[in-house]
Amino acid sequence: GQNIDQPTEMTATEGAIVQINCTYQTSGFNGLFWYQQHAGEAPTFLSYNVLDGLEEKGRFSSFLSRSKGYSYLLLKELQMKDSASYLCAVRDPYNAGNNRKLIWGLGTSLAVNP
Amino acid sequence: NAGVTQTPKFQVLKTGQSMTLQCAQDMNHEYMSWYRQDPGMGLRLIHYSVGAGITDQGEVPNGYNVSRSTTEDFPLRLLSAAPSQTSVYFCASSPSWEDTQYFGPGTRLTVL
Repeated sequence: GQNIDQPTEMTATEGAIVQINCTYQTSGFNGLFWYQQHAGEAPTFLSYNVLDGLEEKGRFSSFLSRSKGYSYLLLKELQMKDSASYLCAVRDPYNAGNNRKLIWGLGTSLAVNP
Repeated sequence: NAGVTQTPKFQVLKTGQSMTLQCAQDMNHEYMSWYRQDPGMGLRLIHYSVGAGITDQGEVPNGYNVSRSTTEDFPLRLLSAAPSQTSVYFCASSPSWEDTQYFGPGTRLTVL
């Protein structure tokens, strides 16, 4: 089957670094997305990985290992405004049931404390 | 660019009523989709469209209809509302199904 696993909740301190993990089992793989969703708002795009390695974008970085079915989102210099849910989504081109959809994780709720 | 817009932002319906959730985008995106988001269930795809005149079912299509007469608009129709359809509905668009999706602000629907 197809599955994406993320921790349900995480807590971190302002100014610290936090790593949010995502593991996936899919029929195929053609890219992994990270989205941020603040409470009561829409998801917004953070990063995209299709090749192994690290993609850096300011305070946020995302890593992918296709052989391990694993990705993480790294948030540095945490700020209070980073308190949000972080969604991992995988594009599977061999998903015969609905071949034009993303497979979404349930999200990791991150609380940043002062 | 306004991006992806959705109306209304909030709606309360009685069981059995019908209504249409509006979605529009001004980015000339071919791919549009409707999701519902429920606690503990994540984002679930209801219907999607790869271009004007073409729609297809997602994973939870029952009770919903869509049409795509123009590139810009992708309305979602609830035929006979049920309490199980109480949810937050998001519309999203992207240049193609492979690209990053951009979400509208959502419609919070309560069915009594």
